Amino acid sequence: DTAVSQTPKYLVTQMGNDKSIKCEQNLGHDTMYWYKQDSKKFLKIMFSYNNKELIINETVPNRFSPKSPDKAHLNLHINSLELGDSAVYFCASSTPSGIQETQYFGPGTRLLVL
Amino acid sequence: QQQVKQSPQSLIVQKGGISIINCAYENTAFDYFPWYQQFPGKGPALLIAIRPDVSEKKEGRFTISFNKSAKQFSLHIMDSQPGDSATYFCAASSSGNTGKLIFGQGTTLQVKP
Repeated sequence: DTAVSQTPKYLVTQMGNDKSIKCEQNLGHDTMYWYKQDSKKFLKIMFSYNNKELIINETVPNRFSPKSPDKAHLNLHINSLELGDSAVYFCASSTPSGIQETQYFGPGTRLLVL
Repeated sequence: QQQVKQSPQSLIVQKGGISIINCAYENTAFDYFPWYQQFPGKGPALLIAIRPDVSEKKEGRFTISFNKSAKQFSLHIMDSQPGDSATYFCAASSSGNTGKLIFGQGTTLQVKP
């Protein structure tokens, strides 16, 4: 009965490859997020969707493309992976945005680009 | 300014001691200030949060102190335990801004037995 789940947990790949990370939440939340945590543990928001609509799009390279097939899922596709993309990517969800409810984070996907 | 500055970067406390982590912000539009706790290999989880209409909020051993005029807030962990060893993040957001959280740089706390 995991609240926010991510797959895969670990991802090791070569530079230039394309990869996807999947996220699912069973909390009935309307809003989902992608965060990147770098090697210094700095946590920064990348994207946010509310009811499948993109509402936050930070200054992230175009190689990153989120997709929300329904409000329980938010996937992250990364094209032409670079060394600097190595990080831990967290998915999170919350009740409708703007109400400042608790954000529930998934366990993270550890991406290593070689 | 969107930054939230957190200090110290790391903290070592003896069991039973008080752990204090400080954060400062610049954006006066921020009106929600949560603290998240992250254990190694796990995602962050909300620990405690405060809104600027109160100067202090306490939940068990965890207390947030908030100073609106100084634009500072801090987390106090009383009677620190080895199980509290984790990374702590302060954050801030403003209402109506799509729920976007701006996180501090994080503080790694080690509580020695």
